[in-house]
Amino acid sequence: GDSVTQMEGPVTLSEEAFLTINCTYTATGYPSLFWYVQYPGEGLQLLLKATKADDKGSNKGFEATYRKETTSFHLEKGSVQVSDSAVYFCALSPDFGNEKLTFGTGTRLTIIP
Amino acid sequence: NAGVTQTPKFRILKIGQSMTLQCTQDMNHNYMYWYRQDPGMGLKLIYYSVGAGITDKGEVPNGYNVSRSTTEDFPLRLELAAPSQTSVYFCASAEYNEQFFGPGTRLTVL
Repeated sequence: GDSVTQMEGPVTLSEEAFLTINCTYTATGYPSLFWYVQYPGEGLQLLLKATKADDKGSNKGFEATYRKETTSFHLEKGSVQVSDSAVYFCALSPDFGNEKLTFGTGTRLTIIP
Repeated sequence: NAGVTQTPKFRILKIGQSMTLQCTQDMNHNYMYWYRQDPGMGLKLIYYSVGAGITDKGEVPNGYNVSRSTTEDFPLRLELAAPSQTSVYFCASAEYNEQFFGPGTRLTVL
């Protein structure tokens, strides 16, 4: 079955540091890939997505590129802020619309001033 | 738009009690989902629905039931609560591959 493997956390960085959170997946066909963010005490929010190979999703300074050859969708940000502290989830869905999402276990990110 | 709303926010149950977690969305989405989130385990799908009157099991349906009589509402029923059902429960609705999540219900079974 489909699966998503995420970088183990927690991750602690200083403000303005470069961020990478690794995500790899196993799926048949051509899945869509997502990053969701969960701020403390809230539900998940979609951060960015990519629906086909070599697509780059971006939002709020975060980027991730859909790499089919390495089955990866790593999340990056050039300069993190304290407000980026949250839990980040990588997820995939099959390539035929609103099907069930398969989530990674999440990576807790803490940014210290 | 209120988006996806869930009630209650917190609840403590005794073993063997029952309860219903409410979920309502005002975006007219056909797809709705219930997840549970255990610490360090990510989200697990309990049940989902592709439209009013249609529901199906997800990855961890045992001990739960759902119904979908309207597009807006998708309640989750816990019968005979067990300590293993202590978790945070999230409801979501979806359109065009994007899921919208409610704020969650934190449930403790003692």
